[in-house]
Amino acid sequence: AAGVIQSPRHLIKEKRETATLKCYPIPRHDTVYWYQQGPGQDPQFLISFYEKMQSDKGSIPDRFSAQQFSDYHSELNMSSLELGDSALYFCASSSTRTIAGLTDTQYFGPGTRLTVL
Amino acid sequence: QKEVEQNSGPLSVPEGAIASLNCTYSDRGSQSFFWYRQYSGKSPELIMFIYSNGDKEDGRFTAQLNKASQYVSLLIRDSQPSDSATYLCAVTYGGATNKLIFGTGTLLAVQP
Repeated sequence: AAGVIQSPRHLIKEKRETATLKCYPIPRHDTVYWYQQGPGQDPQFLISFYEKMQSDKGSIPDRFSAQQFSDYHSELNMSSLELGDSALYFCASSSTRTIAGLTDTQYFGPGTRLTVL
Repeated sequence: QKEVEQNSGPLSVPEGAIASLNCTYSDRGSQSFFWYRQYSGKSPELIMFIYSNGDKEDGRFTAQLNKASQYVSLLIRDSQPSDSATYLCAVTYGGATNKLIFGTGTLLAVQP
């Protein structure tokens, strides 16, 4: 079965640079979530989109922005990168068009490992 | 206090034994409960989800939910070395937001 696709898988940037992470959800999934996982930490919710509209916002810095496009793929834009932004960034997707009770089951992509030097 | 609490471990069990992983949550409004398995440096992989009180079995895995005690657990029968990973408990509140709130995870080590 098709899974969530993320690109790039690895990214190395310098401080104050900009990075763009991409996420392609599972086909026919209409909701995308972004999570950040620092070393030794649990994933932290950043932001989510449903049908191309922002549906929720978590602990996302103002330096970060995201959007979901007409083909449902999503991009996370990160500017003025800081050393503390080094982390794994996961995208997850889910579908509201499933049988009752399964609408919030999220499937994760392989992640993008961002290293800020 | 975190909204979702797990013992960080490591939990060490011999191969073939039952591994019992526990999780408590603080918000009674929590509606859905998930167990994810995460190998080091990899993404979380969905193992089980449960919405109603009681037990839910899927192969070697059994999830147990007790909403009155705000407690959810995962049992792994016939543990294998390949089960060695961090197990993340996560909850959602439903409604307008389906964001996952994760516990810190329990590291399981299955000894051959």
